[in-house]
Amino acid sequence: EVQLVEVGGGLGQPGGSLRLSCVASGFTFSNYVMTWVRQAPGKGLEWVSSISGSGDSAFYADSVKGRFTISRDNSKSTLYLQMNGLRAEDTATYYCAKAIFEATADFDYWGQGTLVTVSS
Amino acid sequence: AIQLTQSPSSLSASVGDRVTVTCRTSQGIGSALAWYQQKPGKAPNLLMYDASTLQSGVPLRFRGSGSGTEFTLTISSLQPEDFATYYCQQFKHYPVTFGGGTKVEIK
Repeated sequence: EVQLVEVGGGLGQPGGSLRLSCVASGFTFSNYVMTWVRQAPGKGLEWVSSISGSGDSAFYADSVKGRFTISRDNSKSTLYLQMNGLRAEDTATYYCAKAIFEATADFDYWGQGTLVTVSS
Repeated sequence: AIQLTQSPSSLSASVGDRVTVTCRTSQGIGSALAWYQQKPGKAPNLLMYDASTLQSGVPLRFRGSGSGTEFTLTISSLQPEDFATYYCQQFKHYPVTFGGGTKVEIK
């Protein structure tokens, strides 16, 4: 059974940093693009970042480029999102998601989400 | 970035009704479109990928169609568990983009 479990959310200071992790199980992690998607309270879904199975290629939304870094450790089946320079508008529930196929960016499994609140 | 416009943004319907949600993209994406259902407090759930392929376990009353720039999600006979928000998503090109959502409410 595929499982994705996000950890690391919580309260962050404006300008501060947080690191999210997503621990995966039930599939060959290194074979799939992995993605972070966020949802601000009461708002729609916003794609944040994706990373290839090997970790060689990463893509970012303009809203987080230069501040957030996606990475993965395939030996630990874990996806990360390093969030620096936090802003109030980064407040959201962050989901990690697994691609349906090896090189696509549509998502068949999602984690339960972790809430990030940016406030002083 | 490819823009996705969903319509309507919300609708009220009764159990048994046929419901149609439309997603238009700002440029052609072939069939690289997915549909998700999201209930309050829960993660999105994949309904359809490649525009018209039903995800395993999703009821047959859900149907996706379209290609290019216009896509449709149809629920043939709305059930109580279908009241939720629906999102389209394109994955033809990065940045991946989502539609604004369609909230289906009980009439």
